[in-house]
Amino acid sequence: QSALTQPASVSGSPGQSITISCTGTSSDVGSYNLVSWYQQHPGKAPKLMIYEVSKRPSGVSNRFSGSKSGNTASLTISGLQAEDEADYYCCSYAGSSPWVFGGGTKLTVL
Amino acid sequence: QITLKESGPTLVKPTQTLTLTCTFSGFSLSTSGVGVGWIRQPPGKALEWLALIYWDDDKRYSPSLKSRLTITKDTSKNQVVLTMTNMDPVDTATYFCAHSDSSGWFFDYWGQGTLVTVSS
Repeated sequence: QSALTQPASVSGSPGQSITISCTGTSSDVGSYNLVSWYQQHPGKAPKLMIYEVSKRPSGVSNRFSGSKSGNTASLTISGLQAEDEADYYCCSYAGSSPWVFGGGTKLTVL
Repeated sequence: QITLKESGPTLVKPTQTLTLTCTFSGFSLSTSGVGVGWIRQPPGKALEWLALIYWDDDKRYSPSLKSRLTITKDTSKNQVVLTMTNMDPVDTATYFCAHSDSSGWFFDYWGQGTLVTVSS
């Protein structure tokens, strides 16, 4: 099972919106509404930000939103803040090979 | 409050077997739908899912590592153990354990991770 494809880096200024894409195949992202997104600050454990494509866990800011179209899922962060600077990983259920992660995207807040 | 913590050796030699223990609290691995998974992250690289065990002892493994992995649980001790055989320097990574929600499709609580270095 190949990793999902994410851009290596994205950047934005405070207050702006950014979108991180996550491209898979018809065997994972395209087949299941089971994409999750994780935020990871340096030296820390990942934190769940979005699950089942667009649902937010309790306590996660509504500035974070998720969507999916075909084989590509997206994470959008609006009203960018300095604390959002981190690595972001997507993950999809993939059936027989249950979970596959993306390669990660480094978000820089300018 | 759900917490998980990984423990095990910080250094293993090539060809040795790695045994990691995830000790958790705040949930029971006998609750329907619940699972505990292992995910690793080589230094500066991406997350990689390794294995997961469900409340009913159903086990799933990464196809690329399946021959080297074994995951077990001890419900009475609130522990999940992962063994990985034939360790190689490329297996150097931080190993995380994580709670899988009863829906089973995401990891909502993570341990702090433990760095395992493979070197002679």
